[in-house]
Amino acid sequence: KAGVTQTPRYLIKTRGQQVTLSCSPISGHRSVSWYQQTPGQGLQFLFEYFSETQRNKGNFPGRFSGRQFSNSRSEMNVSTLELGDSALYLCASSLEGGRARNEQFFGPGTRLTVL
Amino acid sequence: DAKTTQPTSMDCAEGRAANLPCNHSTISGNEYVYWYRQIHSQGPQYIIHGLKNNETNEMASLIITEDRKSSTLILPHATLRDTAVYYCIVRVERLGGGADGLTFGKGTHLIIQP
Repeated sequence: KAGVTQTPRYLIKTRGQQVTLSCSPISGHRSVSWYQQTPGQGLQFLFEYFSETQRNKGNFPGRFSGRQFSNSRSEMNVSTLELGDSALYLCASSLEGGRARNEQFFGPGTRLTVL
Repeated sequence: DAKTTQPTSMDCAEGRAANLPCNHSTISGNEYVYWYRQIHSQGPQYIIHGLKNNETNEMASLIITEDRKSSTLILPHATLRDTAVYYCIVRVERLGGGADGLTFGKGTHLIIQP
């Protein structure tokens, strides 16, 4: 079974631009979560989508948004990029979505650099 | 979700068992203990999880104390490829489904020495 895939793997943008990252979950997984990882803040939860609906949300500004499609693929968008948005963005999928018994499987991440 | 406390770093000799402790003294009855690891520049990898009973899989064993206030992850025969940051996470299963995202702390940087 193929793992979680994320595209692109690397991205360079400038301040003020917007960016869209893509995540394809493991086949059959309906929950997709997004995380931001920076050296200073570590791994932080952004949001979770399940059945095309945002079910849980972390503490990030409204510039960070996402969506999920009927095939469970998800996209994450960051508008008006700031230097502090430079990070590794990780996507994770799980089978049942949110229930603690089900582990999350992470993708390799998208490394975003904002200049 | 309950907070966890882990040592910042640990060393272990290759071939020996690596025992990684985690304190979660405020854990509640419906919270599971999860372990993940992250090898440099890769996404975190699920290792194991448990509620009350000890668990074992092909990667590791998880020992949870009877009062559930602490746990130990055991890698039985550590190899150089086990060098990574190991995260202990407690996570609640909410009624009706859905849970907050995983809350990662700083984790333990495990270094396997040749």
